[in-house]
Amino acid sequence: EDKVVQSPLSLVVHEGDTVTLNCSYEVTNFRSLLWYKQEKKAPTFLFMLTSSGIEKKSGRLSSILDKKELFSILNITATQTGDSAVYLCAAKSSSNTGKLIFGQGTTLQVKP
Amino acid sequence: EAGVAQSPRYKIIEKRQSVAFWCNPISGHATLYWYQQILGQGPKLLIQFQNNGVVDDSQLPKDRFSAERLKGVDSTLKIQPAKLEDSAVYLCASSLVSLPYEQYFGPGTRLTVT
Repeated sequence: EDKVVQSPLSLVVHEGDTVTLNCSYEVTNFRSLLWYKQEKKAPTFLFMLTSSGIEKKSGRLSSILDKKELFSILNITATQTGDSAVYLCAAKSSSNTGKLIFGQGTTLQVKP
Repeated sequence: EAGVAQSPRYKIIEKRQSVAFWCNPISGHATLYWYQQILGQGPKLLIQFQNNGVVDDSQLPKDRFSAERLKGVDSTLKIQPAKLEDSAVYLCASSLVSLPYEQYFGPGTRLTVT
């Protein structure tokens, strides 16, 4: 059965800290790994990773994929209170168009 | 650009009652998804439409859940009869056929079954 596991489940840091969120996956015919940020209800798209070793960056957020070890990390540097959210990773299989298998999420709380 | 619209935002019903949720995707998005997100878990795909056809409904509990997208635009998801374990946020998402990984999510409907 396909599965995606995230760790830690929750994290509390102070503003300015750097955090690393982990995502491991076991997905048949893996195609890509996606990260979403979920505040309140609707997840918003952050990154899609398809190739190993190529870092994607957007401001203070960056992510990388290791297809050999079947994991991805999401880094957030110089955290701000606005980064507080649930971070979801999802794996996409090529066997189902668009179907995403989500992990359980990491709840990040950034304290002032 | 208008986002994915969902209604209602909140619903409280008793077990064995029925409930319906509505979703209007982003204009031009042919693919529409319904997800169930139980508290503390990631979203789980219930059903995926492309236009008005079903692409994947393998995780839809068909004995009580049904969904339709008759004209290939907006969609409804129904639960009849509801069980306590159906309490969750129901998220609707849409995407272009050419970019299935870029799914845009609506605000969701929080269902509480008592």
